[in-house]
Amino acid sequence: GQNIDQPTEMTATEGAIVQINCTYQTSGFNGLFWYQQHAGEAPTFLSYNVLDGLEEKGRFSSFLSRSKGYSYLLLKELQMKDSASYLCAVRGSGNTPLVFGKGTRLSVIA
Amino acid sequence: EAGVAQSPRYKIIEKRQSVAFWCNPISGHATLYWYQQILGQGPKLLIQFQNNGVVDDSQLPKDRFSAERLKGVDSTLKIQPAKLEDSAVYLCASSPISIGYGYTFGSGTRLTVV
Repeated sequence: GQNIDQPTEMTATEGAIVQINCTYQTSGFNGLFWYQQHAGEAPTFLSYNVLDGLEEKGRFSSFLSRSKGYSYLLLKELQMKDSASYLCAVRGSGNTPLVFGKGTRLSVIA
Repeated sequence: EAGVAQSPRYKIIEKRQSVAFWCNPISGHATLYWYQQILGQGPKLLIQFQNNGVVDDSQLPKDRFSAERLKGVDSTLKIQPAKLEDSAVYLCASSPISIGYGYTFGSGTRLTVV
């Protein structure tokens, strides 16, 4: 089976940096995904890691360590519009469906 | 490109009634998924189609839920009879076959069972 853990809630200040962690246990691994979901809206794709290391995309970066079963999403220069839930999702072997964590609700305050 | 279309956007029904949701994926996307998202939780897979065949329906409560994908394009998800615990957002997503692509989700159908 698969188990994905991430913090339930986080709060950060506008302009700051925040790191959202995700740990996972899977039978087989073929990629880790981060999604952003604003309240009442569909999840939107942010990033994908399949190899160890850091992937940077503008203000957002995602890191993966396969040996530790660990990933984080780093958000820089936080803006109020970044207030949302951030979902960590893992794909097991092959092209199996993504399994999602419960999400981290991020509140950005002034 | 057009996104994943879902309808209806909202639905309220009484328990024991039936309901159906519709999804039209992105053109050319072979794989289609239905996820159930209960408030405050992450999406949970119900069923995965590749073209018009079922790949994974291990978490679909088959005594009350059914799904089909017509001609490998549109899909419908049905619940009959509905229970209170079925209140959730039902998300449809699609992706190309190639590994490494994230899914594109539709806006979802918010179902309330009273």
